[in-house]
Order: sequence, then C-alpha cells, then structure tokens
Amino acid sequence: GQQVMQIPQYQHVQEGEDFTTYCNSSTTLSNIQWYKQRPGGHPVFLIQLVKSGEVKKQKRLTFQFGEAKKNSSLHITATQTTDVGTYFCAAQTGTASKLTFGTGTRLQVTL
Amino acid sequence: DTEVTQTPKHLVMGMTNKKSLKCEQHMGHRAMYWYKQKAKKPPELMFVYSYEKLSINESVPSRFSPECPNSSLLNLHLHALQPEDSALYLCASSQLFRPWGDYEQYFGPGTRLTVT
Repeated sequence: GQQVMQIPQYQHVQEGEDFTTYCNSSTTLSNIQWYKQRPGGHPVFLIQLVKSGEVKKQKRLTFQFGEAKKNSSLHITATQTTDVGTYFCAAQTGTASKLTFGTGTRLQVTL
Repeated sequence: DTEVTQTPKHLVMGMTNKKSLKCEQHMGHRAMYWYKQKAKKPPELMFVYSYEKLSINESVPSRFSPECPNSSLLNLHLHALQPEDSALYLCASSQLFRPWGDYEQYFGPGTRLTVT
C-alpha cells in the first residue's frame, strides 16, 4: 500500500542543537498529524495540520504543511533530553480509508 | 479523563492458548482502534470500530478476533497465534471515525505480547 516516508530514520544530536524531520507523500494529503512515542511508551498526539502552507508552533516545536500538501516537517529548536523519542507523521493516503503512520524518525539527544 | 487503559501490560502465551486483550476509555469516544507495532516500526492498523460496529478490518488473520461490547470497551481475542505475532498491541480511541483520519487518536499504553 501507499506509504508515508520520513527522513531521516535516525538522528543523534547534542543537547541544544536543532532537529528536523520530514514527511513525504507521493499523493496530496487532506491533513496530516504528528505523534511522539517515547522509548517504551505509546504514541501521543502532538498536532494536526489541515491547510496548505500551514505553520503551527508549540513552544520549541514548529510544524509545517507544504504548499502542495504532499509533505510536512517538524522542527525542534534547541533540543533537550526530554525530546528523545520517535516522531511519526500520520495521514490518510491515496484511497485508503484510514490513517497511515509514516516510517518514523528516532531522535536521540545527548548532553 | 483523557486516558485509555489496556490490560494486561504483558502477556506470554503458547501457540495453542486462547487469551484476550482488553481496552477501555471513558472519554465518550465513538471510534476505537487496534494497532500492532513491531520494534522500531510504526503502528499498523488492524481494526476500527465506529459506533460499536466494525468499520475496517485490515485483512487481519482470523486468529485475531475483535469485539466491541459497548462504546467504552474493546477486546481483542487471540487464538492459535504464531511466534511472528509477538508485538506491542496498542488500542486507541478518537471522538469519531472519518476515513480521512482527521480526529486525533488517544493511545493506551499497549500490551506487550510474546507468543512462544
């Protein structure tokens, strides 16, 4: 089935550095959601983007939906150790009548 | 209360056993989901219930049998599982279900299942 690809698969940063993960689809998305899963935990909803070119901020996190609604990004400014986890985008893709999770980006932050 | 609870937290079962996973939410949500997650992979949708009716079955083998006794409860009955079925099973709920997935999902902590 259709996949939502995320890059990178893994990123290791020093605390204080910035981090960005990208989510790409070959088809236009009606909306996109972002979730965070801590190690040993469960996915937790972060945000939903609906409009073309939409930008939303949550403290140090900035979420963007592409103009063509085929891609999205999550940027974390000045990472902290509490940001450790896997970040998933999720979207309804193609003709599938469901939310499909992206491949995920695992973030490791060290002091 | 924005919590989804799941029991048990861990389950080890043999291939001939019958067991059930349970999920409960008291947020008044009318959509409930079962996901399977393997290590370092994204959650994969198994079933969706909307208003206690099965809306989506993602071609899941019949050894997995979902049940939604009421709007707050969701069960997953397991029978004759295979070792490759070992995974984290996540339950989630959302206010409603729409195919384009625009309602946020609240996940439970999951049941870590090991099939021996």
